[in-house]
Amino acid sequence: GENVEQHPSTLSVQEGDSAVIKCTYSDSASNYFPWYKQELGKGPQLIIDIRSNVGEKKDQRIAVTLNKTAKHFSLHITETQPEDSAVYFCAASMGAGGSYIPTFGRGTSLIVHP
Amino acid sequence: DADVTQTPRNRITKTGKRIMLECSQTKGHDRMYWYRQDPGLGLRLIYYSFDVKDINKGEISDGYSVSRQAQAKFSLSLESAIPNQTALYFCATAGAYNEQFFGPGTRLTVL
Repeated sequence: GENVEQHPSTLSVQEGDSAVIKCTYSDSASNYFPWYKQELGKGPQLIIDIRSNVGEKKDQRIAVTLNKTAKHFSLHITETQPEDSAVYFCAASMGAGGSYIPTFGRGTSLIVHP
Repeated sequence: DADVTQTPRNRITKTGKRIMLECSQTKGHDRMYWYRQDPGLGLRLIYYSFDVKDINKGEISDGYSVSRQAQAKFSLSLESAIPNQTALYFCATAGAYNEQFFGPGTRLTVL
């Protein structure tokens, strides 16, 4: 089955710096790669996703890149703010027409210091 | 109103007790999931259901059972709770590309 590795487990940055979280996956059939943000006391919430037919996607201060050859994808947050502090999860699965069972990374705790 | 709701939000119970966690959704999605979250272990799949007549075991189903009462309702039961089932439990639904929509979670403590 699919295996997703996520690094680092903890990331501490100063406000205004950039943050990068990386994930690798094992199943070349995976074609859908979402990122979720979990704030304290809440359920994870989808913040951005990418499908295998594109290499990069951007939404304001966040971006995701995908390298299908190397089987890795990354989340980039620019100009970090204290409200970006949360746990971030990556996931991999086969999307529409696939198995619909996502595999999650173990999460990255991002701390943004004011 | 929230699209995916879970009750109760917090529960403390004793070893050996039967307990049910409930999940309801208004998104109209067919696919529903139950996950368990433990510190450092991420989200692990317990059970999933692709429609009312479909129930499947996930990665860690031992000690758990589920019931899909309707498209909108998916319940998780612990038949005889044990302390290592102390965790955060999340229900989720899935959209067309398998994007997950999570409920707010239930914090379960088994003494």
